[in-house]
Amino acid sequence: SQQGEEDPQALSIQEGENATMNCSYKTSINNLQWYRQNSGRGLVHLILIRSNEREKHSGRLRVTLDTSKKSSSLLITASRAADTASYFCGANQAGTALIFGKGTTLSVSS
Amino acid sequence: SAVISQKPSRDICQRGTSLTIQCQVDSQVTMMFWYRQQPGQSLTLIATANQGSEATYESGFVIDKFPISRPNLTFSTLTVSNMSPEDSSIYLCSVYPGNEQFFGPGTRLTVL
Repeated sequence: SQQGEEDPQALSIQEGENATMNCSYKTSINNLQWYRQNSGRGLVHLILIRSNEREKHSGRLRVTLDTSKKSSSLLITASRAADTASYFCGANQAGTALIFGKGTTLSVSS
Repeated sequence: SAVISQKPSRDICQRGTSLTIQCQVDSQVTMMFWYRQQPGQSLTLIATANQGSEATYESGFVIDKFPISRPNLTFSTLTVSNMSPEDSSIYLCSVYPGNEQFFGPGTRLTVL
């Protein structure tokens, strides 16, 4: 079964706008990781947030984690056409594999 | 970090045949995983393959269909047996050496 569930499933925005994707999970977790996948390409690791962290930043990316709500959000600021991709969140318990949600497909138009 | 390579990168196979996918990691890792990504879908965990023990399969995946070998700490194979068009997917190898989970480039399989 899937651990993370992203929403929305699809998101279309203009360049320069911010994009927010949400992810929910079902059980207690050790950490949660966000990945990007361009069409037909491999997974690119974006950011990891541990269960005892609430917020992390990396460049234009901001991730939050709310363990009480079992949810996380990924914010991409000042989106670019190159951000067009599918985004997946995966969550795991200690010593186990990431279980992924269905993903959000982001389309950024110029 | 870990760098993962997979062979083949892609293949087109006939139904009823089998394909073995190889995964090579540039460092020793205890935990190795195999995932499947069906067209337009997310990643689904097939099994966990730890060196020195039998692979552990997730619900919906069985050893007869997806036999896995893990002969050492840097290498694993996944075989997709008796293939059907429904097996057309990207198969990804993944390792978890510490905090971040790393993924190979994937093997794109098309079954005719």
